[in-house]
Amino acid sequence: SQTIHQWPATLVQPVGSPLSLECTVEGTSNPNLYWYRQAAGRGLQLLFYSVGIGQISSEVPQNLSASRPQDRQFILSSKKLLLSDSGFYLCAWSLGGPYEQYFGPGTRLTVT
Amino acid sequence: AQKITQTQPGMFVQEKEAVTLDCTYDTSDQSYGLFWYKQPSSGEMIFLIYQGSYDEQNATEGRYSLNFQKARKSANLVISASQLGDSAMYFCAMREPFGGGYNKLIFGAGTRLAVHP
Repeated sequence: SQTIHQWPATLVQPVGSPLSLECTVEGTSNPNLYWYRQAAGRGLQLLFYSVGIGQISSEVPQNLSASRPQDRQFILSSKKLLLSDSGFYLCAWSLGGPYEQYFGPGTRLTVT
Repeated sequence: AQKITQTQPGMFVQEKEAVTLDCTYDTSDQSYGLFWYKQPSSGEMIFLIYQGSYDEQNATEGRYSLNFQKARKSANLVISASQLGDSAMYFCAMREPFGGGYNKLIFGAGTRLAVHP
């Protein structure tokens, strides 16, 4: 069966510091991968998606970036965090096609 | 632009009763998909049920059913025989037309369901 991991689970970072969140998927090959952000009490906002290694599409221009160095690894990064980057970050995967997405446990980021 | 609207910020239901969570959507596309996810306090999003725009029958998954009314552009989630563990946030989402090899979802703002004993 497929599983999706995210780490760290929680993170507190000062403004201006770098960020690296990691997501890995097990039990499937060539998944579509997604990064979402959820502000407190809100729905999810798609940040990035990837259909293959090295292929990244951005939905929202901001100071975040994403990379996919391996088939089942998806990384969310920032060189300098802003207060507005605080939120709950969720990674998801799906098969290629019109299928449901499966989400990881999420990372709660607080920028102070 | 496609949009998902969930007008109920919070709902409560007595244990063992049924509850309906509302979802309306706006799209000009003929091919689309509708999803419901559950988000417990732990934070992870749990996939519950899917309805395709061309599906003639309402989707069902155990105690979950989707009341799909295409002409009214609504896709309400019905939970039968509510359990205490059903207390969570529930999100309705719509898939943009499939293309380009990916599956983009647009989410509503969510409804918080509280099940009372």
